[in-house]
Amino acid sequence: EAGVTQFPSHSVIEKGQTVTLRCDPISGHDNLYWYRRVMGKEIKFLLHFVKESKQDESGMPNNRFLAERTGGTYSTLKVQPAELEDSGVYFCASSQGGSGELFFGEGSRLTVL
Amino acid sequence: RKEVEQDPGPFNVPEGATVAFNCTYSNSASQSFFWYRQDCRKEPKLLMSVYSSGNEDGRFTAQLNRASQYISLLIRDSKLSDSATYLCVVYTGANNLFFGTGTRLTVIP
Repeated sequence: EAGVTQFPSHSVIEKGQTVTLRCDPISGHDNLYWYRRVMGKEIKFLLHFVKESKQDESGMPNNRFLAERTGGTYSTLKVQPAELEDSGVYFCASSQGGSGELFFGEGSRLTVL
Repeated sequence: RKEVEQDPGPFNVPEGATVAFNCTYSNSASQSFFWYRQDCRKEPKLLMSVYSSGNEDGRFTAQLNRASQYISLLIRDSKLSDSATYLCVVYTGANNLFFGTGTRLTVIP
């Protein structure tokens, strides 16, 4: 069974540009989460989808970040315009139910120059 | 105050050593507790859940002290392959998971 897949694995962009990260959760997992880890800091929650609905987006840093999950399958996270402080690793995770066991993707490393 | 606090390390131990990591959490209503393992430039993966009575999985022992809001992970007979970052994770309900910064372990030959 395929795990959580993320694309791209690494993106290098200039400040002011736009980047879109994609996550394909494990098939059948209704819960999809986005997390971010900036260098030297802990992994922090960004938002949570249940199917196509945003359950909780309290962790989204500001309105430059937009997440979607059309059809309740894959999700995208767009950063527009990107700022230097957006650099970090963006992890996507999925789970079947509401518990602590999440299955993570390998992450998308974003570098904003 | 952070939801989850961990000693970031690094811990450098020789093969065969026993090493213990500690973690404290701030929300007394936290429901579930976990240790995740993250290898360098890889995603976090669940290592083990932490139960109130303490639990063991091979060389790994996890303990929870709700009164002190403290979680521990003990690794016995360390192997080179144990080198990784160990993340303390606390679930407070309503799909809220909080991660510690992680404790980095390097097992030296």
